[in-house]
Amino acid sequence: GDSVTQMEGPVTLSEEAFLTINCTYTATGYPSLFWYVQYPGEGLQLLLKATKADDKGSNKGFEATYRKETTSFHLEKGSVQVSDSAVYFCALIFYGGATNKLIFGTGTLLAVQP
Amino acid sequence: DAGVIQSPRHEVTEMGQEVTLRCKPISGHDYLFWYRQTMMRGLELLIYFNNNVPIDDSGMPEDRFSAKMPNASFSTLKIQPSEPRDSAVYFCASSLRRGSSYEQYFGPGTRLTVT
Repeated sequence: GDSVTQMEGPVTLSEEAFLTINCTYTATGYPSLFWYVQYPGEGLQLLLKATKADDKGSNKGFEATYRKETTSFHLEKGSVQVSDSAVYFCALIFYGGATNKLIFGTGTLLAVQP
Repeated sequence: DAGVIQSPRHEVTEMGQEVTLRCKPISGHDYLFWYRQTMMRGLELLIYFNNNVPIDDSGMPEDRFSAKMPNASFSTLKIQPSEPRDSAVYFCASSLRRGSSYEQYFGPGTRLTVT
């Protein structure tokens, strides 16, 4: 079945460091891909999305490119801040499917130290 | 827009008691989802509704759990009787399926502790 695999955390970085969180997926069709972020004590918020191959989603300095050839959607940020400390979830929905069911990865905890 | 509203935000109850969690989705959204999040199991989809009709309840752990959506603006998740292993954060989310837009909007969650 469809699935998402994320790199395990925690990822600990110093402020202004470069961030990469890996995400790969398995899907039988052409999913839309998402990154959600969960700040401490809060619900998940959509960070960015891409709906087709080679699309680049971006928001708040974060970027991810939908790579169909490698079935990947890695999250990157050039310079992280302490306020970026959160759990990041990669997710997919099977585009054109009959359901509206997100499939999430297990989440990656990011801790940014000053 | 008010966003997804959940109540209560925190619930502490004793084993064996009935617990009811409530959710008000974003107005106009046609999908509603209930999730459970724990350290051990991560984020799990319990059930979701489309136009108030349950579509997939395969994630509901057992018969002690039930969910209803009597109208487009209200849903409940009930646990009867509750057990300590039900302790978790329960999230409600809603979305509007429109073209390729499948964005789900999450509520702040209800932190349930069963002692």
